[in-house]
Amino acid sequence: KAGVTQTPRYLIKTRGQQVTLSCSPISGHRSVSWYQQTPGQGLQFLFEYFSETQRNKGNFPGRFSGRQFSNSRSEMNVSTLELGDSALYLCASSLAPTGSYNSPLHFGNGTRLTVT
Amino acid sequence: QKEVEQNSGPLSVPEGAIASLNCTYSDRGSQSFFWYRQYSGKSPELIMFIYSNGDKEDGRFTAQLNKASQYVSLLIRDSQPSDSATYLCAVIKAAGNKLTFGGGTRVLVKP
Repeated sequence: KAGVTQTPRYLIKTRGQQVTLSCSPISGHRSVSWYQQTPGQGLQFLFEYFSETQRNKGNFPGRFSGRQFSNSRSEMNVSTLELGDSALYLCASSLAPTGSYNSPLHFGNGTRLTVT
Repeated sequence: QKEVEQNSGPLSVPEGAIASLNCTYSDRGSQSFFWYRQYSGKSPELIMFIYSNGDKEDGRFTAQLNKASQYVSLLIRDSQPSDSATYLCAVIKAAGNKLTFGGGTRVLVKP
């Protein structure tokens, strides 16, 4: 079974630009979560989608947004990029919404975003 | 106080020994607990999860949960150099629906 697929693997953008990251969950998984990982802050929760609805959102500014499509694929968008947005962005999928019994998160390989 | 706390390490362990990693959490009502392994430059990989007090074993790994003391631990038996990685503890709070991670413990297994 294929794992969680994230594209692209690497991105270099300039301050002020916007970026869209893509995530395809494991087949059959309907929940997709996004995390930001930096050396200083560790793994920080961005948001979770289930059945095309945002279930929960972390403490990130409105420049960070996402959506989920009917096939469970998800995209994350960051507008007006700042230097501090440089990070590894990880997508994770699970069968059921986070918190459901016996439905752990499985992570993709991530997208490394560098903002210059 | 951080929601999920781990000693950052590095925890240096001789090959063949037992590595013991600890994680404490602040929300007494937390229900679900996970251990992930992350190699440098790679994404987190699920090792195991535990929901009930006591021990849960999977191969060389044992997770131990003590809800009264609000800690969860991971034991790695017969440690191998390939176990050298950062181990992340993650918790789902009772009223929450997000996974909160600790900062991770870096483990170094020396041949």
